[in-house]
Amino acid sequence: DGGITQSPKYLFRKEGQNVTLSCEQNLNHDAMYWYRQDPGQGLRLIYYSQIVNDFQKGDIAEGYSVSREKKESFPLTVTSAQKNPTAFYLCASSPQPSGGRNEQFFGPGTRLTVL
Amino acid sequence: AQSVTQLDSQVPVFEEAPVELRCNYSSSVSVYLFWYVQYPNQGLQLLLKYLSGSTLVKGINGFEAEFNKSQTSFHLRKPSVHISDTAEYFCAVSDQVGSARQLTFGSGTQLTVLP
Repeated sequence: DGGITQSPKYLFRKEGQNVTLSCEQNLNHDAMYWYRQDPGQGLRLIYYSQIVNDFQKGDIAEGYSVSREKKESFPLTVTSAQKNPTAFYLCASSPQPSGGRNEQFFGPGTRLTVL
Repeated sequence: AQSVTQLDSQVPVFEEAPVELRCNYSSSVSVYLFWYVQYPNQGLQLLLKYLSGSTLVKGINGFEAEFNKSQTSFHLRKPSVHISDTAEYFCAVSDQVGSARQLTFGSGTQLTVLP
């Protein structure tokens, strides 16, 4: 089955700790994205990557970091610099980074709670 | 940059009644439009998309949407809803940002179908 997997589904972190969220896709998509979802605010773009070893900041990149060493993997690290990290995090991918005609495919999400 | 407005944050409706979820976007030369559905604690699933051609687009689960360029709207409709349609619905627009096309999401509409 092709798709996007995110792990873990639920994650708890103490204040001041960095934490890494996993995102893997076996769809052979070039582009991958990370979004943050808060109640009543829709989805906001954190980072995106159009190709391996390249990534760009989205609208709310402060306090986050990413890497794209492999086509199928795009992990997101939530650093201690992120002031309000409790949220639902969604990873997505699309076949063509600049085509725009293709929809984005979403993973099931990771709910991060900072204690 | 694009903006997307979903005019209703909550829409309650009785089972088997019709429903319309409203979406307006800011004007642009070339946009692609999407509706996604999100069930609780899950990722987003594509309902339908408008790329070009006929302004009436049919999607999954009996939903359809109409692209109205003059009113910059892309409202989602279903003639008869079921309990299982209870979910959050997001309108999104794709436009060019730098070298890539990105999705901008509305804040979402929670559809609750009542028995």
